[in-house]
Amino acid sequence: EAGVAQSPRYKIIEKRQSVAFWCNPISGHATLYWYQQILGQGPKLLIQFQNNGVVDDSQLPKDRFSAERLKGVDSTLKIQPAKLEDSAVYLCASSLGRGEYNEQFFGPGTRLTVL
Amino acid sequence: KNEVEQSPQNLTAQEGEFITINCSYSVGISALHWLQQHPGGGIVSLFMLSSGKKKHGRLIATINIQEKHSSLHITASHPRDSAVYICAVYGGATNKLIFGTGTLLAVQP
Repeated sequence: EAGVAQSPRYKIIEKRQSVAFWCNPISGHATLYWYQQILGQGPKLLIQFQNNGVVDDSQLPKDRFSAERLKGVDSTLKIQPAKLEDSAVYLCASSLGRGEYNEQFFGPGTRLTVL
Repeated sequence: KNEVEQSPQNLTAQEGEFITINCSYSVGISALHWLQQHPGGGIVSLFMLSSGKKKHGRLIATINIQEKHSSLHITASHPRDSAVYICAVYGGATNKLIFGTGTLLAVQP
């Protein structure tokens, strides 16, 4: 079974530029998550989708971050404009359903460096 | 204070040693997860616990709900066990996965 795919794996941009990340979840997984992991910290949930609807985006900085999952499969996360503090690994995860008993499967992450 | 605390933050062991990583949490939870993250790699789920103990190969995870504490044990450690081990709990006020900051384990040959 193919895992969660993410691209690009690495991205270096200058502050105030825009960047987009792509995630393809495991086939059949209805729930998709985007996490931000700053060096030395645990992942922080940015947004959670159930199919193509947003379940939780309470920690998404909506003035600069946006995410979509238009057809309920692939998802993109965009940062516009980027700040230095956005340097982090952006992890995508998916699960069959919502809730604590649904195992989340993580992608390899995208490491973003903002200069 | 973080809702999920792990100790130690860094751990160096010799190959073959028995390793224990601890996790304490301050919120009500419905499940606790242990995850493994290799450098430059993604996160892999090791265990999900809501009570008692689970074993998989050389890994053992225990949880004490009353004491709000969990431990991850690695028996006969090997250099390939070197990774960051993350404790995450499902619960709290927001009922979402809350992650600890991780324990960086280095097993030397």
